[in-house]
Amino acid sequence: KNQVEQSPQSLIILEGKNCTLQCNYTVSPFSNLRWYKQDTGRGPVSLTIMTFSENTKSNGRYTATLDADTKQSSLHITASQLSDSASYICVVSAKSYGGSQGNLIFGKGTKLSVKP
Amino acid sequence: NAGVTQTPKFRILKIGQSMTLQCTQDMNHNYMYWYRQDPGMGLKLIYYSVGAGITDKGEVPNGYNVSRSTTEDFPLRLELAAPSQTSVYFCASSQSGTGVFVGYGYTFGSGTRLTVV
Repeated sequence: KNQVEQSPQSLIILEGKNCTLQCNYTVSPFSNLRWYKQDTGRGPVSLTIMTFSENTKSNGRYTATLDADTKQSSLHITASQLSDSASYICVVSAKSYGGSQGNLIFGKGTKLSVKP
Repeated sequence: NAGVTQTPKFRILKIGQSMTLQCTQDMNHNYMYWYRQDPGMGLKLIYYSVGAGITDKGEVPNGYNVSRSTTEDFPLRLELAAPSQTSVYFCASSQSGTGVFVGYGYTFGSGTRLTVV
């Protein structure tokens, strides 16, 4: 069964500190992996999208890594800010063929709280 | 620069009532989606559309209907609301599907929080 597991469920860090969020998946055949940031009461916003051949992708203070062999990804946040407080969702896409819609499998998210 | 607009933001329904959640996008995206997000759970796909006049079921379509008469609009209809449909509903759009041109991400609306009592 295609699944995406994220850890930890929640995390509290002090402003200015770094943190790393984890994502393990069992999606096959793999197409791409995305990280989204979801502020409370808002829709998810895309941070990064990585394909099989990409190991690292950065977006400002956010750096995502992908190990397709072990089916693991991480999202590293550098020098955290209060505005980083949000849920971070790992989403894995399975390949689709014949023009049909592929399938996105969403993780449950990691709730990050950045305290002053 | 509106992106994806959902209305209403909040709604309380009584069991058995019906309603339509509205979704409009101004990016000329062909693909549109409806998801529901239950507390502590990942988003689940309800219905999607790859273009005007074309819709298809996602993972959890029961109790819902959709239509896509224009590129811009993708309303979600709830008939005979049930407590199990209490959730936050997100509409999203993308320029292409999930497995093609992966550089194109999804743009999500702000969500509709629905409570069925």
